Amino acid sequence: GENVEQHPSTLSVQEGDSAVIKCTYSDSASNYFPWYKQELGKGPQLIIDIRSNVGEKKDQRIAVTLNKTAKHFSLHITETQPEDSAVYFCAAITGYSTLTFGKGTMLLVSP
Amino acid sequence: DGGITQSPKYLFRKEGQNVTLSCEQNLNHDAMYWYRQDPGQGLRLIYYSQIVNDFQKGDIAEGYSVSREKKESFPLTVTSAQKNPTAFYLCASSPGQDEAFFGQGTRLTVV
Repeated sequence: GENVEQHPSTLSVQEGDSAVIKCTYSDSASNYFPWYKQELGKGPQLIIDIRSNVGEKKDQRIAVTLNKTAKHFSLHITETQPEDSAVYFCAAITGYSTLTFGKGTMLLVSP
Repeated sequence: DGGITQSPKYLFRKEGQNVTLSCEQNLNHDAMYWYRQDPGQGLRLIYYSQIVNDFQKGDIAEGYSVSREKKESFPLTVTSAQKNPTAFYLCASSPGQDEAFFGQGTRLTVV
């Protein structure tokens, strides 16, 4: 089955800096890659996603890039703000299977 | 107001008791999922259902049971056979095979 590795497990940045979280996947047939943000005590919220026919997608301060050859995808957050502090999860899915999640990255943005 | 509703938010179980966690969605999604979340372990799939009256085991189904009698509802029962049930439980639904939307979770504690 699919295996998703996520790094780093924790990331501390200063307000205004950029943050990058990276994930690798094992199944070359995976075709959908979402990113979720989870605040303390709440359910994960889908913040951005990318499909295998696209290399990059942006939505205001967040962007996701996909390298199918290397089987990795990354989340980029620019101009970080304290409210960006949360746990971020990447995931991948292959056809008619279910989402496989990475183990999460705790992002801390210090004012 | 569409969404996924999990109840209760907090649940306490005595040793040897079965408890049932509720998950209801009004998004008209065909697929529904149950995940378990433990610190540092990401999200692990317990059970999923892609259509009414049908469901499949996920990666950690032992000690859990589900039913899918209605499209809107996918309750999870944590049985006494689950040896370490204390965790945060998340329900999700999906309109197709990829993007998933999560509820706010139920925190189960064994007392």
